[in-house]
Amino acid sequence: SQQGEEDPQALSIQEGENATMNCSYKTSINNLQWYRQNSGRGLVHLILIRSNEREKHSGRLRVTLDTSKKSSSLLITASRAADTASYFCATLMYNNNDMRFGAGTRLTVKP
Amino acid sequence: DAGVIQSPRHEVTEMGQEVTLRCKPISGHDYLFWYRQTMMRGLELLIYFNNNVPIDDSGMPEDRFSAKMPNASFSTLKIQPSEPRDSAVYFCASLGFRGRGGDPTDTQYFGPGTRLTVL
Repeated sequence: SQQGEEDPQALSIQEGENATMNCSYKTSINNLQWYRQNSGRGLVHLILIRSNEREKHSGRLRVTLDTSKKSSSLLITASRAADTASYFCATLMYNNNDMRFGAGTRLTVKP
Repeated sequence: DAGVIQSPRHEVTEMGQEVTLRCKPISGHDYLFWYRQTMMRGLELLIYFNNNVPIDDSGMPEDRFSAKMPNASFSTLKIQPSEPRDSAVYFCASLGFRGRGGDPTDTQYFGPGTRLTVL
């Protein structure tokens, strides 16, 4: 079963705008990761945030984690057409290597 | 490093045929994962190996599916006999050492996937 649930399922914005995607999960985690998947391609790791971290930045990406609410958000600032892709959150449970992916958010950035 | 390599990239077969998907993980990675992705079910973990040993195969849908890892640089996922509902993209991913000096890496590196179509 899927652990992470992304929201929204689809998001369409104009180039230059910010995009925010959310992820909720159900069980205690070791870390949470965000991946990007371009159409027909494999997943590419974007950023990892550990359970004892609250916020992390990487370039135009900002990830937050609220373990009390079991939720995370991914913010892409100043979006570009090349950011068009599906974005997945994945949670890694404690004491095992079982990584669970959500259904993903399909982001479309219009030029 | 060439990254995770999967073959074939595309496979079209008829129902009832045996299908074998192959994966070469990144050299030095000691975890290997097999995933299946469909529109209906999203990305599902099928099985993963640690040091060539299957650790958790609870995601394998049924006995028609089997996976092996005879050595650290090669793994196969076999479906026999295949059915149309097995049509999906199958991804292999590998993960580096954990807890070895500095920050453990929990990042999985995905291969390009094998798109399987069973007619």
